[in-house]
Amino acid sequence: DVKVTQSSRYLVKRTGEKVFLECVQDMDHENMFWYRQDPGLGLRLIYFSYDVKMKEKGDIPEGYSVSREKKERFSLILESASTNQTSMYLCASSSPSGRGYNEQFFGPGTRLTVL
Amino acid sequence: AQKITQTQPGMFVQEKEAVTLDCTYDTSDPSYGLFWYKQPSSGEMIFLIYQGSYDQQNATEGRYSLNFQKARKSANLVISASQLGDSAMYFCAMRGRNYGGATNKLIFGTGTLLAVQP
Repeated sequence: DVKVTQSSRYLVKRTGEKVFLECVQDMDHENMFWYRQDPGLGLRLIYFSYDVKMKEKGDIPEGYSVSREKKERFSLILESASTNQTSMYLCASSSPSGRGYNEQFFGPGTRLTVL
Repeated sequence: AQKITQTQPGMFVQEKEAVTLDCTYDTSDPSYGLFWYKQPSSGEMIFLIYQGSYDQQNATEGRYSLNFQKARKSANLVISASQLGDSAMYFCAMRGRNYGGATNKLIFGTGTLLAVQP
């Protein structure tokens, strides 16, 4: 089974702190994604990566950056956390060489609170 | 622009009954894929079922089936014989050729919270 893990289930940070959210997948997937989930808004794509050291902006990249130094690891960085970044963050991975419809596999999520 | 709409914020269903969760979509892409995910209170998103735009038959996976009406641009999820463990948030998502490509980006609806009552 595909396993996507995230470094923390719950995280509390102060405004202005630099925050790192880590995601690791064990199925050699090329694609990795970061979403944030807010009530009434569904999941919104922040950044994604289709290869090591490659990244592209999603729909809401402002205030975030990412890093992918190794294929299995995709990090989301909040350079200076703000209260409006309080949210559930979900990481996902997929592979175009998988099943024909290439579903995304998700991690358990990190609930981040910025005070 | 591509868009997914889920108009039911929440629903109740009696255990052992069937329930339909609505999803409509908007795309100009001739080739696209539709997904349903389940998110229990634990938070992890679980893939349930997929329907391709060129698939001739409606997708089925165990107690889940997808009522795909292409002309109406709807892809409703039907859960038969509801169980208490089906209580969760359900998301409809779409991948379009222009939006997703090889990277398989998805756009999601806002979700429907299903509560199964004993």
